[in-house]
Amino acid sequence: GIQVEQSPPDLILQEGANSTLRCNFSDSVNNLQWFHQNPWGQLINLFYIPSGTKQNGRLSATTVATERYSLLYISSSQTTDSGVYFCAVRKGGSNYKLTFGKGTLLTVNP
Amino acid sequence: DADVTQTPRNRITKTGKRIMLECSQTKGHDRMYWYRQDPGLGLRLIYYSFDVKDINKGEISDGYSVSRQAQAKFSLSLESAIPNQTALYFCATSVPSSTGELFFGEGSRLTVL
Repeated sequence: GIQVEQSPPDLILQEGANSTLRCNFSDSVNNLQWFHQNPWGQLINLFYIPSGTKQNGRLSATTVATERYSLLYISSSQTTDSGVYFCAVRKGGSNYKLTFGKGTLLTVNP
Repeated sequence: DADVTQTPRNRITKTGKRIMLECSQTKGHDRMYWYRQDPGLGLRLIYYSFDVKDINKGEISDGYSVSRQAQAKFSLSLESAIPNQTALYFCATSVPSSTGELFFGEGSRLTVL
């Protein structure tokens, strides 16, 4: 099956700092999503981005499908950004299974 | 109100008990999924359903069963719960497309003693 690797596994920031999270995947994909899991366990959709670049406030994401990676940028981080960030992909030709990476645990200190 | 609603949100039960987790959605999506999350293992697919008459096993279906009662309802059952089924369970929905974005419920935290 397709492999999804996220880096770094853990990241600690001071409030106001910027960060970049990376997601590498081993095969062509037709779906790539970024999620934020908050401390209460809820999974929040951040981006649906199988290719290209999108921005939503302080967050932006870029997927370079030909090179099999995606980046999530967080600018001017806030304590509420803390939690786990997951990348999930669906392999091209597959029509159901979303494969998750193991996540990046982000801690933003005040 | 959430578009994808799971009940119960938290449940503690004992080994051998039958447990049902329920999921309902107002998004009008045909496809529904059940995932399980364990620390360090990410989310893994248990079962998925493309419509009321189409139910399929995912990668970790042993010990679980599902029922798609209507387009909007998809329930997950543990016939005889065991401690290693302690996990956070998520229901998800998507449109009927191979590229469809998934939307998750709030999660159901199950503890089996």
